[in-house]
Amino acid sequence: DTVLTQSPALAVSPGERVTISCRASESVSTLMHWYQQKPGQQPKLLIYLASNLESGVPARFSGSGSGTDFTLTIDPVEADDTATYYCQQSWNDPTFGSGTKLEIK
Amino acid sequence: QVQLQQSGAELVKPGTSVKLSCKASGYTFTSNHMNWIKQTTGQGLEWIGIINPGSGGTSYNVKFKGKATLTVDKSSSTAFMQLSSLTPEDSAVYYCASGVRWFAYWGQGTLVTVSS
Repeated sequence: DTVLTQSPALAVSPGERVTISCRASESVSTLMHWYQQKPGQQPKLLIYLASNLESGVPARFSGSGSGTDFTLTIDPVEADDTATYYCQQSWNDPTFGSGTKLEIK
Repeated sequence: QVQLQQSGAELVKPGTSVKLSCKASGYTFTSNHMNWIKQTTGQGLEWIGIINPGSGGTSYNVKFKGKATLTVDKSSSTAFMQLSSLTPEDSAVYYCASGVRWFAYWGQGTLVTVSS
């Protein structure tokens, strides 16, 4: 299995820029996707194929990376962005990162 | 709009089986694959498997082979997942989600609690 490693938590203030990282245990090319999950809700797709913004997702969200290192950026952060963010690879059988919990101070 | 409506919460006894459903609407059911994903506090999100509603073809995470069985009913645009020989470790929220490489649409989740 391809293991995806994310930092567990971040805290930022509204209006700031935040980057959430995801490192894969092997190269996944650009087959990396990002989701937002709020408490009690299902995950929501934000970014697919590393850098493509899903329809309806605000342009404040962007993704970058290839190979083993990927980044989700939110700029500027808003209070409503409080959530856990997951990366997911599809180079082989899908696996997810353990999630980064984002707190807005 | 695309919607995936999942069946309600289940409280089941160890050793039994449970069958969860996921009714799709807003798109042609056979045009997109359906996945099932398990979420627990301890293990996070785990992909269980995928089914092609058109052909019935399936692929499973090796961890869930023998545990989960994926089927569809094209006449009702519904996907099903049967979980067998349940143990407390199967207690989780289970999601259906459409897509092949990424999951654009998700159901609201079904909570399965395995307890005697």
